[in-house]
Amino acid sequence: DGGITQSPKYLFRKEGQNVTLSCEQNLNHDAMYWYRQDPGQGLRLIYYSQIVNDFQKGDIAEGYSVSREKKESFPLTVTSAQKNPTAFYLCASSLSTGGYGYTFGSGTRLTVV
Amino acid sequence: DAKTTQPPSMDCAEGRAANLPCNHSTISGNEYVYWYRQIHSQGPQYIIHGLKNNETNEMASLIITEDRKSSTLILPHATLRDTAVYYCIVRGSWGAQKLVFGQGTRLTINP
Repeated sequence: DGGITQSPKYLFRKEGQNVTLSCEQNLNHDAMYWYRQDPGQGLRLIYYSQIVNDFQKGDIAEGYSVSREKKESFPLTVTSAQKNPTAFYLCASSLSTGGYGYTFGSGTRLTVV
Repeated sequence: DAKTTQPPSMDCAEGRAANLPCNHSTISGNEYVYWYRQIHSQGPQYIIHGLKNNETNEMASLIITEDRKSSTLILPHATLRDTAVYYCIVRGSWGAQKLVFGQGTRLTINP
């Protein structure tokens, strides 16, 4: 079955360490996105990519970095510069045109101690 | 992207129709209305979308007013599993494809 996979589901890291969250899709979608969600809040866009080797900052990109070397993969690195990294991170993908909806992964809950 | 306004919370009895309103008065002609829902600690799930005609699928119906300034998502026979946060989003079909999520409506289905 086609879908989007995020791993791991739960992640614990010490303060000051960089950590990379994985996102893989086999839907042949062109565009991929990373969102952050804090408790009781809506989703906020971190980064998005419409094609391979290209990506744009979203609303809260500071302290995060991404790469898009393959169409299927869009990893997110949470760097030590991110002041409050503990959150629920969601990856999504979509076709790039035509008004199609997103497919979301099941999320990674990152806790920094 | 146009902004949307939704009530923060709603309740509905199990088996009844749940009608979730959304205002999007600044929507432009090429923007679609999308609905997603998020069950606790899961990724959002696509429900339905439309441009100007009413739409129906196996999950829900979407009613868009003639002036397109508001819409209503209808869950015809709500079940306990429909308890979730429902997001109404407007977005164009080309150019920047990002979805902008508001606070949504927390729908609680009561037995």
